[in-house]
Amino acid sequence: DSGVTQTPKHLITATGQRVTLRCSPRSGDLSVYWYQQSLDQGLQFLIQYYNGEERAKGNILERFSAQQFPDLHSELNLSSLELGDSALYFCASSAGTTNEKLFFGSGTQLSVL
Amino acid sequence: GQQLNQSPQSMFIQEGEDVSMNCTSSSIFNTWLWYKQDPGEGPVLLIALYKAGELTSNGRLTAQFGITRKDSFLNISASIPSDVGIYFCAGHTWETSGSRLTFGEGTQLTVNP
Repeated sequence: DSGVTQTPKHLITATGQRVTLRCSPRSGDLSVYWYQQSLDQGLQFLIQYYNGEERAKGNILERFSAQQFPDLHSELNLSSLELGDSALYFCASSAGTTNEKLFFGSGTQLSVL
Repeated sequence: GQQLNQSPQSMFIQEGEDVSMNCTSSSIFNTWLWYKQDPGEGPVLLIALYKAGELTSNGRLTAQFGITRKDSFLNISASIPSDVGIYFCAGHTWETSGSRLTFGEGTQLTVNP
């Protein structure tokens, strides 16, 4: 158990819909990262938050947004969903601002039908 | 952007055999890391390497940070069925935009009992 909690584990929705993925980092970790894993793309970095502030941005689409709340949990919002958004979405956390040693959650499997 | 070439993409071996996989890049990294992803779970950190030429072991796993800082390999000795999973290399560096972690595409390992 990494200590990172992600909900829900599975999500099935339709194109055009909006979903929210939730992540609680390990106790004491201030940084939260979101990654997308699809079969042909590997692990793609989306965005990082540190102590409530956006820290780094990767290949995140404009239809996607995230935030980190004062209790340090984070939410990833995916809107106007397309079939190609179907993937595993991972949240990871680390103690500081650097992201060498990440602790990953079990992921949310998103299926867009 | 930075890219990591990880090989092989997949391996099918017999229990007890040794395994070797590697990652190469055209860019220099400050840290090399190896993660393992079990089916249905998020990646878990196996080994972190911080200095060029460094050789580090973790049980049956041995990894090395290449002298050129552009490559790393991971060896698994005397494989067992629970070694099944996807192994990812990751390179960490500092850029003007901040800390950056880049993942390889992964090596899918299958161990036949």
